[in-house]
Amino acid sequence: GESVGLHLPTLSVQEGDNSIINCAYSNSASDYFIWYKQESGKGPQFIIDIRSNMDKRQGQRVTVLLNKTVKHLSLQIAATQPGDSAVYFCADNRYGGATNKLIFGTGTLLAVQP
Amino acid sequence: GAGVSQTPSNKVTEKGKYVELRCDPISGHTALYWYRQSLGQGPEFLIYFQGTGAADDSGLPNDRFFAVRPEGSVSTLKIQRTERGDSAVYLCASSLNEGGNSPLHFGNGTRLTVT
Repeated sequence: GESVGLHLPTLSVQEGDNSIINCAYSNSASDYFIWYKQESGKGPQFIIDIRSNMDKRQGQRVTVLLNKTVKHLSLQIAATQPGDSAVYFCADNRYGGATNKLIFGTGTLLAVQP
Repeated sequence: GAGVSQTPSNKVTEKGKYVELRCDPISGHTALYWYRQSLGQGPEFLIYFQGTGAADDSGLPNDRFFAVRPEGSVSTLKIQRTERGDSAVYLCASSLNEGGNSPLHFGNGTRLTVT
């Protein structure tokens, strides 16, 4: 598999601030991107997804931005709350096609300080 | 409604033993996926089913791993002659259909520890 190592990047923010979590992908064939949130002891929870024919998509308090030129994906969380503390994974369908055969990034730990 | 259910939530077994991990997908979801997650890493694809058939098993690490979904709903991941390196969280996920606008919904996983 592909792994970047065991050290999890950490983003520490103050409650109420906005958070931005970044992710890079490598394969131009990827056309579907997803963000998942994973709390300790639980499975990944779907947050938001975006297709390659879009560059921005908004949900409730979250926005995903896709920059295909530099193969970069970001997740913005507005007014971060303590309940947002978790590991966030980006994933893409690097193999292309219509399946959910996804490649996950290493993850970013978001720590919200009260 | 009920989400993806996985049992057991924890399984400890001795090296060389056989284990079965069960997944109950969300009702009506035709696609079912198995992923494996090692400590500090993202989930890695193992196999997926569309209905009863394994549409892609390219992520299974070797022939000790096998999965079935005989009636197109519940799936069982089977691991023979377990090794310590098999220790991980095994995640099951389902989606309404194979992909497209149908995101994956994960269960909470089975934490397998091989001693």
